[in-house]
Amino acid sequence: DIQMTQSPSSVSASVGDRVTITCRASLGSVTWLVWYQQRPGKAPKFLMSSASGSQSGVPSRFSASASGTEFILTISSLQPEDFATYYCQQADRLPLTFGGGTEVELK
Amino acid sequence: EVQLVESGGGLVQRGGSLRLSCAASGFSFSSYWMHWVRQTPGKGLEWVANIKQNGDEKHYVESVKGRFIISRDNAQNSLFLQMNSVRAEDTAVYYCARDPGDNGDGWYYFDNWGQGTLVSVSS
Repeated sequence: DIQMTQSPSSVSASVGDRVTITCRASLGSVTWLVWYQQRPGKAPKFLMSSASGSQSGVPSRFSASASGTEFILTISSLQPEDFATYYCQQADRLPLTFGGGTEVELK
Repeated sequence: EVQLVESGGGLVQRGGSLRLSCAASGFSFSSYWMHWVRQTPGKGLEWVANIKQNGDEKHYVESVKGRFIISRDNAQNSLFLQMNSVRAEDTAVYYCARDPGDNGDGWYYFDNWGQGTLVSVSS
């Protein structure tokens, strides 16, 4: 199975801060990775894939990219509604696997 | 608007059975692969199973193979998960999720999720 390692596991930030979340796959050939946002008590919500870099309906402050075996989700200017937990997921092969999550909390 | 509504969760004894349902609306259910994903505080998110549009292809995570059965009824726009021989480690919130692939192949991610149903396994 492909193991997904997400970092950091949590980050404390303020409104307006830039936040970067990284995801690495145990298998270097993973090419298809997606990101989800989960607010407390709610289901995860699809944000975007690393291939698209952005997603209709998702604020432009969110962007996704890839560099080698590293996948990155960036929030350029944190807003109050962005305080949540973010998960990556590899979509290359079964079994589909998730990162452990990054909790973005208010500093 | 896509809606996925799970039901059937609850308390079940170890070794027992439970059947989860997911009622889909707002899209052409029979055109999409569907998945079950579960979440526990300790293990985070875990993909459980998926099923092709016509039900003739199914896949499972290793830990549930031989115990869980995913199925669907396209006439009723419903997805199911039959859970047998449940274990303590099956305790989780179970989500029904749609795969965005609608042309035959699954895209292996989830563009819409239900609100989840909690399954608790007691010893």
